[in-house]
Amino acid sequence: QKEVEQNSGPLSVPEGAIASLNCTYSDRVSQSFFWYRQYSGKSPELIMSIYSNGDKEDGRFTAQLNKASQYVSLLIRDSQPSDSATYLCAVNMLRSNYKLTFGKGTLLTVNP
Amino acid sequence: GAVVSQHPSRVICKSGTSVKIECRSLDFQATTMFWYRQFPKKSLMLMATSNEGSKATYEQGVEKDKFLINHASLTLSTLTVTSAHPEDSSFYICSGRREDIGELFFGEGSRLTVL
Repeated sequence: QKEVEQNSGPLSVPEGAIASLNCTYSDRVSQSFFWYRQYSGKSPELIMSIYSNGDKEDGRFTAQLNKASQYVSLLIRDSQPSDSATYLCAVNMLRSNYKLTFGKGTLLTVNP
Repeated sequence: GAVVSQHPSRVICKSGTSVKIECRSLDFQATTMFWYRQFPKKSLMLMATSNEGSKATYEQGVEKDKFLINHASLTLSTLTVTSAHPEDSSFYICSGRREDIGELFFGEGSRLTVL
């Protein structure tokens, strides 16, 4: 089993819709979870961090964490064409000495 | 947030030469910095963990003599690709960890092309 798994996509949604991005991880004792946005040819940009079960909202973004299911998601409300990018899920695994492990990313396309 | 600056953003070099990439944390001190490599349409692959004042820790399969890392101060880490070959052409990205909030911030990346 891969350590951090994401559906590679592409995920295509119309402008104004909700985009839902999902991520599962293998290390049950992981404690920190991050979502990064990466535009083509650019480096990743931190969007959200979440550390405890439940929802965390920041503007149009909501991160959801369920440690029992080893699942973290990112919802983007009122999607805009400028949200089109690859979204990387990253997990801080205790057993990896706090290094971030990244998923392969999900390519999101928001159609005008 | 926090600012991590990487330089140069693009570099083209001839096969066999060495290239140095700098990574600076501009508004925080980074005891630990990480160097990643990313090939087209692939995810970030951690190359090494750079620790201020000590030797870097390399991931399995990464040649430490080829990818020299120096972290001489709390705000600067450098990656030198020695005797570069075309297969070393990639997007190299550094990141610094803000210990107070436990979050990682990335530099802009350096695109290396070896001819």
